[in-house]
Amino acid sequence: RKEVEQDPGPFNVPEGATVAFNCTYSNSASQSFFWYRQDCRKEPKLLMSVYSSGNEDGRFTAQLNRASQYISLLIRDSKLSDSATYLCVVNKGGPGGFKTIFGAGTRLFVKA
Amino acid sequence: SQTIHQWPATLVQPVGSPLSLECTVEGTSNPNLYWYRQAAGRGLQLLFYSVGIGQISSEVPQNLSASRPQDRQFILSSKKLLLSDSGFYLCAWTRRDYTNTEAFFGQGTRLTVV
Repeated sequence: RKEVEQDPGPFNVPEGATVAFNCTYSNSASQSFFWYRQDCRKEPKLLMSVYSSGNEDGRFTAQLNRASQYISLLIRDSKLSDSATYLCVVNKGGPGGFKTIFGAGTRLFVKA
Repeated sequence: SQTIHQWPATLVQPVGSPLSLECTVEGTSNPNLYWYRQAAGRGLQLLFYSVGIGQISSEVPQNLSASRPQDRQFILSSKKLLLSDSGFYLCAWTRRDYTNTEAFFGQGTRLTVV
């Protein structure tokens, strides 16, 4: 089983739609959680951290359920510019420190 | 401010040739360093990570090796490239002392083995 699993999609949605991405992680020792965005042929960049209490940044809402080992990202009022791959990321502790593990990503296409 | 440099940006190599990709970080010390690979249309696969000089953890068996000769230098190598080594290689760093740290990426190397 992969340490971080995501639905690969693609999700095809019209502008203005609300879309939700889900992610599960396998290791309960995971300590920090993030969503990254990757545009085609570019490096990933941080979209937002995910906190246990849930957090919002404009049209984006992230939620974490530690008991279920589940992370979500909700995008409201989708824009054409939201088209990208969204990566779920977990920092997991281990010998010598911790490591950063990426999910395979979920592709989103927003259409006019 | 911290920066991460990765080069070259694009590389075309014949099967059986050696490989050396270099990554350096500036503006921070004692970073965790990572090499990821992304095959076309696929997600990021963690290849190696390092928590210090000479300390390398390999995540998957493969044709590649990594070295960290200096605190802020991370090198990805191969003695003989395979066709399956083609992909987008990304170097990244995170803080070591703080788990709620984001990963900062280099701009990546697009490797095509022919």
